[in-house]
Amino acid sequence: NAGVTQTPKFQVLKTGQSMTLQCAQDMNHEYMSWYRQDPGMGLRLIHYSVGAGITDQGEVPNGYNVSRSTTEDFPLRLLSAAPSQTSVYFCASSYGALVKSTGTEAFFGQGTRLTVV
Amino acid sequence: KQEVTQIPAALSVPEGENLVLNCSFTDSAIYNLQWFRQDPGKGLTSLLLIQSSQREQTSGRLNASLDKSSGRSTLYIAASQPGDSATYLCAVREDNYGQNFVFGPGTRLSVLP
Repeated sequence: NAGVTQTPKFQVLKTGQSMTLQCAQDMNHEYMSWYRQDPGMGLRLIHYSVGAGITDQGEVPNGYNVSRSTTEDFPLRLLSAAPSQTSVYFCASSYGALVKSTGTEAFFGQGTRLTVV
Repeated sequence: KQEVTQIPAALSVPEGENLVLNCSFTDSAIYNLQWFRQDPGKGLTSLLLIQSSQREQTSGRLNASLDKSSGRSTLYIAASQPGDSATYLCAVREDNYGQNFVFGPGTRLSVLP
């Protein structure tokens, strides 16, 4: 019963480095999304996907890239890390709102704590 | 733009008290509202989900209500325990193409033994 799995749990990057945060879910959910959580700012949406092959920008997309080649995986790429990207990143998944018979409860991963120095 | 607020920002109560956490949202066009719990340094754990057509949901000592027309939800915790200490977040799911969640800033609860 894995749910939503994020890797790594912790990461330290140097400014300018790139990396990919992994997110996988085993619930056959259409909807997946990435949020960042910063003190005093709450959770803010970075990118989201309503199904395989479809991605869209959220509130704070700059500096991040995503792709959705499979239903299960939704990786988040940091192209050139900056100290402003120091944050805790959460991945979430759920059935789409149109699939009313199965509900739309969202499930979250345990987070990735990223520090950019 | 949907905005979600939560009052109070922090709350400290003695063990055994009943308490109410408040959540307000500005746009009533929501698909559902979900309450989460977050322990320090941890992820989000779903507590209750209320569909837009529902008035309330209950799970154990927790009861959540929704008044969509007035843009309000409350989370009622009965007979609080020290283990309830955590940050409680409410999130509304927008009833549009993106179906995205908009989170409130959270209420930090401390239940003292």
